[in-house]
Amino acid sequence: LAKTTQPISMDSYEGQEVNITCSHNNIATNDYITWYQQFPSQGPRFIIQGYKTKVTNEVASLFIPADRKSSTLSLPRVSLSDTAVYYCLVGDLTGGSYIPTFGRGTSLIVHP
Amino acid sequence: DVKVTQSSRYLVKRTGEKVFLECVQDMDHENMFWYRQDPGLGLRLIYFSYDVKMKEKGDIPEGYSVSREKKERFSLILESASTNQTSMYLCASRLPDSGNTIYFGEGSWLTVV
Repeated sequence: LAKTTQPISMDSYEGQEVNITCSHNNIATNDYITWYQQFPSQGPRFIIQGYKTKVTNEVASLFIPADRKSSTLSLPRVSLSDTAVYYCLVGDLTGGSYIPTFGRGTSLIVHP
Repeated sequence: DVKVTQSSRYLVKRTGEKVFLECVQDMDHENMFWYRQDPGLGLRLIYFSYDVKMKEKGDIPEGYSVSREKKERFSLILESASTNQTSMYLCASRLPDSGNTIYFGEGSWLTVV
């Protein structure tokens, strides 16, 4: 199981772009990278997923370098409502044997 | 939209009581999971189930058991609640081969006094 490392916390201000990097040095060939967002007193929810290069959706972008040993979640122009914990998951999606393992996540605080 | 429902949002139980936390999902997902979340420790996996009547231990199964008699329902059981089991419990489900899209319930806050 690929182990992930993220910063414990980050601070930002409204309107800024936030980049959260996750390290996963022993990522396997079949592993995908997925990010989740969790607000206080709620369960985590899916944000974005990728395998290589760049993925963008209406919420965020995910940048994955060629060696795939890290990935960066980019949140454009954050607002106060983006204050949350962000988790990076790495795993093989094929079949039902994949066990989602969450680390401690990155606590993002957005200031006015 | 997938819905994962945890029956109790807030519970207060006494030490030694048997506690049942119920979770139901409405999308015919094979995989279901129970996590607990404590400040500074992230989500830790207690038990999971690949399908009906199947169960596997996660990282911290001690003091817990589970039941999966029907595909849509996955119950977490605290045989004899202790104060160190005070925590938020999160249930989740996933369809195999659907990617890393895991659907979570809203969580159950359990206080053991």
